[in-house]
This record gives sequence, C-alpha cells and structure tokens, in this order.
Amino acid sequence: EAQVTQNPRYLITVTGKKLTVTCSQNMNHEYMSWYRQDPGLGLRQIYYSMNVEVTDKGDVPEGYKVSRKEKRNFPLILESPSPNQTSLYFCASSIQGSAGNTIYFGEGSWLTVV
Amino acid sequence: KNEVEQSPQNLTAQEGEFITINCSYSVGISALHWLQQHPGGGIVSLFMLSSGKKKHGRLIATINIQEKHSSLHITASHPRDSAVYICAVPEGGNNDMRFGAGTRLTVKP
Repeated sequence: EAQVTQNPRYLITVTGKKLTVTCSQNMNHEYMSWYRQDPGLGLRQIYYSMNVEVTDKGDVPEGYKVSRKEKRNFPLILESPSPNQTSLYFCASSIQGSAGNTIYFGEGSWLTVV
Repeated sequence: KNEVEQSPQNLTAQEGEFITINCSYSVGISALHWLQQHPGGGIVSLFMLSSGKKKHGRLIATINIQEKHSSLHITASHPRDSAVYICAVPEGGNNDMRFGAGTRLTVKP
C-alpha cells in the first residue's frame, strides 16, 4: 500500500531536548516536504526536498533542520525545541514536486513542547 | 495579505444540499490542489488541476487561470463530507506551497 509514514504520532517533550520526527515514503517519490499546522494560521511549509541531498527552506524554517540522505526518508529535526514549536506536523511526498503532481500526506504528528 | 483566500470560512449545510467552496489566489501558478482534512487530522488530496474541470464522484473542481479562481463543489452532500477543505498552490511554479486557511464544512443529517 502506498503510504507516507510519520513517527512519532504523538509526543510531549521538554524545552531544549533534541528530537527527530521521522518520515518515510514507499512510492519512490523524489519530492518530500514538511508542514506545520496551527490554529488560525493554517498549514505552512517548513522545508522541502526535490531529491536526495537537495533541500530548500519553505515559509517557516527557523528552528528546524532536515536531511535527505536517502530517497525514502526525510526526517525533521528540532535541535532545541521551544514551546512555540508545539504544533501538528505533516510530512508529504509527490513524484516530482508539488507544482503538478498529487501530494500524499502522512497522518500527522502532534508535538507538544513544555 | 494572504496569497490564497478561501471562502466561506465555515459552512453548515443540510444533507443533500449543493455545496460550493471558493479559492482565490494572487500568485502565478501551474496547478492548484484541493485537500480534505478529516476531523481526526489526516489530510488527503482530492484534486490537482491546472485547467478546466475535474470530477470525482460527487466532487467537482473547476479552475479559471485568467481570473485566478477555483471552486470545489459537492453535489448531494452527506454528513460524511464534513471536514475541512483546503486549497493550496505552489508559488510561481516552485514547490514552496501556499495554503488557504481552510473551509470547515458541517453537513447535518
């Protein structure tokens, strides 16, 4: 089954404690992306990757890092989480960029930073 | 000003009604996406369109590139259609996505 898998789905962590949210897709997609969703602000793009070793900043990259060492994986790293990073996070992928291709979303990761 | 504007923000309908959700955008685009977010939070892609009209079951999406406007229609609405509907555009042909604020649809039996 074609899918985008995120882990963890739910996490409560403390300020400053590094964490990684993993994302994996099994569709051999070149494009992967991370978004955060906040009440009243909607979805905003954090980082995206057009292919292995190619990443670009989205709208709100501050406080986040990503890497794309393999095609299937695109982890989101919070080196020193802060409470303003409490949010619902989505990973997504598509064949070759979001401009003209269907986007597949993971189920979301609820992150709370206290 | 938000580059992607959706209306209405909230919509309540009776089962069987015809629903229209609108999306206007200010950036140049090559395609527009309609997404559905279920009450549990998951997001699925409904349509990706760059011109004209697409239909899938009771859902129809149209786009007018010249007017920078798209609509999502739901015919014979059903309570299971209750969700948040989001339009999204890649900015200027890039992959930096811009999202509308979403339309929360509630269909009552």
